[in-house]
Amino acid sequence: GAVVSQHPSWVICKSGTSVKIECRSLDFQATTMFWYRQFPKQSLMLMATSNEGSKATYEQGVEKDKFLINHASLTLSTLTVTSAHPEDSSFYICSARPRGTGSNQPQHFGDGTRLSIL
Amino acid sequence: AQSVAQPEDQVNVAEGNPLTVKCTYSVSGNPYLFWYVQYPNRGLQFLLKYITGDNLVKGSYGFEAEFNKSQTSFHLKKPSALVSDSALYFCAVGAPSSGGSYIPTFGRGTSLIVHP
Repeated sequence: GAVVSQHPSWVICKSGTSVKIECRSLDFQATTMFWYRQFPKQSLMLMATSNEGSKATYEQGVEKDKFLINHASLTLSTLTVTSAHPEDSSFYICSARPRGTGSNQPQHFGDGTRLSIL
Repeated sequence: AQSVAQPEDQVNVAEGNPLTVKCTYSVSGNPYLFWYVQYPNRGLQFLLKYITGDNLVKGSYGFEAEFNKSQTSFHLKKPSALVSDSALYFCAVGAPSSGGSYIPTFGRGTSLIVHP
């Protein structure tokens, strides 16, 4: 149980393109989802916390207009990288915490999206 | 502010030998502590957690970790390493809010390499 599906797994696109990444909790409801960015051989950098039905909370230094987050339902959050440029190339990972199971439960992670901007 | 230190970028161990991946943390109050494993081009998989109770926690795939409050450590251990354990391991800490929820901070990761 507690499976998180992230799609697509790999994206290659031209500079200036907008890219949408989907994060779905397949067998549970998630009131909170998290979006991370991971650079090679580095840890996860939390970008934003996404709460169902409300605006996302962005970490300091993360551009809200650049990284649009929508959490329209209890099973889906999306991250849109708008007008992507080569410096946005990275590995993006989402995670979700099951609703109603206790606030100290671990997060469940998607398999990540490798974004390459040419 | 909360933080996690994984002092080793890489740990090398021979198959069949015990392994230890180190983690120390800094947080206000009682911590929530977690270990995750990441395989290439994949997300993180949960291994184990400490919330409260026994200091020694057992997790998936034969891994265990010991919470040491005086040393603020939460080292990951396994009695006998397998080649398939080779991966990137992340320690994470969270400081619970008044409602009990938390946002974790991750260490920078330790690459475990198990040699046949």
